Parts: sequence; C-alpha cells; structure tokens
Amino acid sequence: ILNVEQSPQSLHVQEGDSTNFTCSFPSSNFYALHWYRWETAKSPEALFVMTLNGDEKKKGRISATLNTKEGYSYLYIKGSQPEDSATYLCAYHSNSGYALNFGKGTSLLVTP
Amino acid sequence: EPEVTQTPSHQVTQMGQEVILRCVPISNHLYFYWYRQILGQKVEFLVSFYNNEISEKSEIFDDQFSVERPDGSNFTLKIRSTKLEDSAMYFCASDSGGRGPQHFGDGTRLSIL
Repeated sequence: ILNVEQSPQSLHVQEGDSTNFTCSFPSSNFYALHWYRWETAKSPEALFVMTLNGDEKKKGRISATLNTKEGYSYLYIKGSQPEDSATYLCAYHSNSGYALNFGKGTSLLVTP
Repeated sequence: EPEVTQTPSHQVTQMGQEVILRCVPISNHLYFYWYRQILGQKVEFLVSFYNNEISEKSEIFDDQFSVERPDGSNFTLKIRSTKLEDSAMYFCASDSGGRGPQHFGDGTRLSIL
C-alpha cells in the first residue's frame, strides 16, 4: 500500500488570501507527482505533472513545487478567488507501473 | 477540447446483477484506466489497459471485474455479480503515452441495493 497523504483535509479562506497545501508521498521508486483540481459534479482536471526534484510549475495563480528526496510537494494559490473552490488531489506515479495512487485531497472553500 | 465521456451518469442495480459501465476515451489516446471512489475514501486504481490487454491491475480488480474495448472507441468495465461494497463512483481515464496527465470522465455513480 503506497501512502499518499494530503494536508490539511479542508481549508476555508477569504477571497484574496493566499493558501498552500501539502502532499507527501513515498520517495522510493518515484516517477511523477500529479496534481488535479476536482470541482463537484465534474471530472478531475489535470493541473501539473512533476517529475524532477526541485521542479516548480505555474499555471496562472496556481503553482507547485516538488521535493522527491524527502517526498513532498506543495501547491500554492495566490490571491484565492471563489472559483478556486474545489478539491485538490495529488497522485503519486511510481516507476514500476501506470497506476496513479491518490491522496484523499484537500477541500478548499473560498468565500467572497 | 476533447474529453472522456462516461455513461450512464448514475446506475442503480440489485445486488448479484451484472453491470456494464461505458466510457469513450479521447480518440488518439492509447492507455485507458478505471478508478473508483467509495464515498469518503480515496480514489483507487482498478486497472490499466493498453494494446488490447490489461497492463496492470490492483487487488480490487478480482475475477468479478473485466474490461473490454469492443469496437476501437468504447472501453467498458463489467462487474459480473455486484455486491453492496461495489457501490462507488467509477471513473474512466485515458492518456496518450502512459506517463502523462490522465484525462478523466465525469464518472458513473453505481448504487447497489
């Protein structure tokens, strides 16, 4: 069983606040770390796929960093907006297969 | 933008009955997956499929489960004799190279009574 943990479980911020979440994953047999954004009643939407230690990726106000040696990734949202409200999932991809191993997600609520 | 489509969106079935969940992956993708999420739990991998055969499966994917790509566009998941614990949201996904972002459908909510 591969342990992918996300924290916090949920987060409630005000519009304009910046926020960040953590994903921890096994540092052995690492291939990639995926971040998804999942709105209720929709399909999970791929945000980033990160493979190299020290990787930093950015998409608009959302960015992510990766530390494969210690097995963690951070997702940052700058200036949160109500439309950022969603569950953010991370998924570990090992070098021995195709399966994504998901964390339980961080549920973000941004209120005006 | 092309997307993965799943039907039905909700399926209610009596325990012991067979169900078939259907998916149309993105047309130029070569790798196909099924995942499920039991309410309140993590999204769990079931199976991956490439070149008309299963490439990887989890412990959940026992003999009650099977997958098929019958006609080059559809990708189906069959549960032969459903149990109460099969109630979950089932997601289909596809990707082009087996290592990139997987593109998910909206899911089928399966309720076993």
